[in-house]
Amino acid sequence: EPEVTQTPSHQVTQMGQEVILRCVPISNHLYFYWYRQILGQKVEFLVSFYNNEISEKSEIFDDQFSVERPDGSNFTLKIRSTKLEDSAMYFCASSEARGKAEAFFGQGTRLTVV
Amino acid sequence: AQKITQTQPGMFVQEKEAVTLDCTYDTSDPSYGLFWYKQPSSGEMIFLIYQGSYDQQNATEGRYSLNFQKARKSANLVISASQLGDSAMYFCAMRGQNTGTASKLTFGTGTRLQVTL
Repeated sequence: EPEVTQTPSHQVTQMGQEVILRCVPISNHLYFYWYRQILGQKVEFLVSFYNNEISEKSEIFDDQFSVERPDGSNFTLKIRSTKLEDSAMYFCASSEARGKAEAFFGQGTRLTVV
Repeated sequence: AQKITQTQPGMFVQEKEAVTLDCTYDTSDPSYGLFWYKQPSSGEMIFLIYQGSYDQQNATEGRYSLNFQKARKSANLVISASQLGDSAMYFCAMRGQNTGTASKLTFGTGTRLQVTL
């Protein structure tokens, strides 16, 4: 069964460092997303991406964040200068379409900023 | 704006019994979709079931069913014949179907279900 794959599963980084979280969405999906979940809290939307551009982003997704689809398979989230409060589980998701199509999530990357 | 409310932070159910996890929502979109996801302790998000706002029948997927009451804006998840492996966090989520809301899922705060022997 096709699945969304995220690497790494865990990442520890020092405050102020840049991190890149990687995702390989399901191959025939067109819409890609990043969500985050701070420990013990609900899942929050960060950004959606379609046709090689951002289609929607939340207030959380400020200038520190960027997304890229550098080739036909990878979808990355970059955090330029990490802060302690960026520590969270980051989920990549993809879906065939918008609206009623379900989003399939990767297993997540747990980012710890120290 | 879309909002999902899950009022039960934790629930217990005995193995083989049925359990209902509550979810209410608020949206101004005339058309929308409601989703339930399961998050076990390992952390991944597993899609369980989907209900469209214009679907005539309540959605069912195996032991999962969605009790959709549109007038009450509720979309409760019913798990029948609970198993120990059902112990997890359960999130209700919604997505609009109009431009600007059709991309993101809005999640509730979740309900932690514990299945006991």
